[in-house]
Amino acid sequence: SAVISQKPSRDICQRGTSLTIQCQVDSQVTMMFWYRQQPGQSLTLIATANQGSEATYESGFVIDKFPISRPNLTFSTLTVSNMSPEDSSIYLCSVERGSLTYNEQFFGPGTRLTVL
Amino acid sequence: GEDVEQSLFLSVREGDSSVINCTYTDSSSTYLYWYKQEPGAGLQLLTYIFSNMDMKQDQRLTVLLNKKDKHLSLRIADTQTGDSAIYFCAESLNSNSGYALNFGKGTSLLVTP
Repeated sequence: SAVISQKPSRDICQRGTSLTIQCQVDSQVTMMFWYRQQPGQSLTLIATANQGSEATYESGFVIDKFPISRPNLTFSTLTVSNMSPEDSSIYLCSVERGSLTYNEQFFGPGTRLTVL
Repeated sequence: GEDVEQSLFLSVREGDSSVINCTYTDSSSTYLYWYKQEPGAGLQLLTYIFSNMDMKQDQRLTVLLNKKDKHLSLRIADTQTGDSAIYFCAESLNSNSGYALNFGKGTSLLVTP
């Protein structure tokens, strides 16, 4: 398994400000993912973060709004920029751990963001 | 991705079996997953099934896969109050995103004494 921690666990922010969320993994992984879970909704993939290259964003998400860093194989950050109340969500990072039999995705505990 | 469909709510009595259904979208998905999310907690992988399997049993959990209809189900035998949670079905996305997941909206399972 993989142990994933996220900071902060929760935050309340004012509109127009930015928040950077950190994700730390206890072992080296190639692929890290950032998801958003809006209230009462499912998880939506924001982007895939590979070390040494720019993140790949899904439709509806752009780098200016959600810049991502991946400086090494155990760490990534997601910034939520110029926040509005619509950005209130749980943000989760996940990692893919492959084995001979299948690829498992492990999720961090999430960062609960409230934008006022 | 397109929508993975799940019923939103299910209520069962303790000791009964629960069956949660899911319809997925991508016939090329290699793996299909069931995740559990308890209130205020992160996502926990419950079980998965490889796309060339019809059934997988893991203690109280039974996963059935009908690839022709793109239908996945999770059966929980002898459901306990501790099983109350939201259950997410997810399919693997075979794309530039590697093995990122496309989730359903989740089924909220309530187990009553």
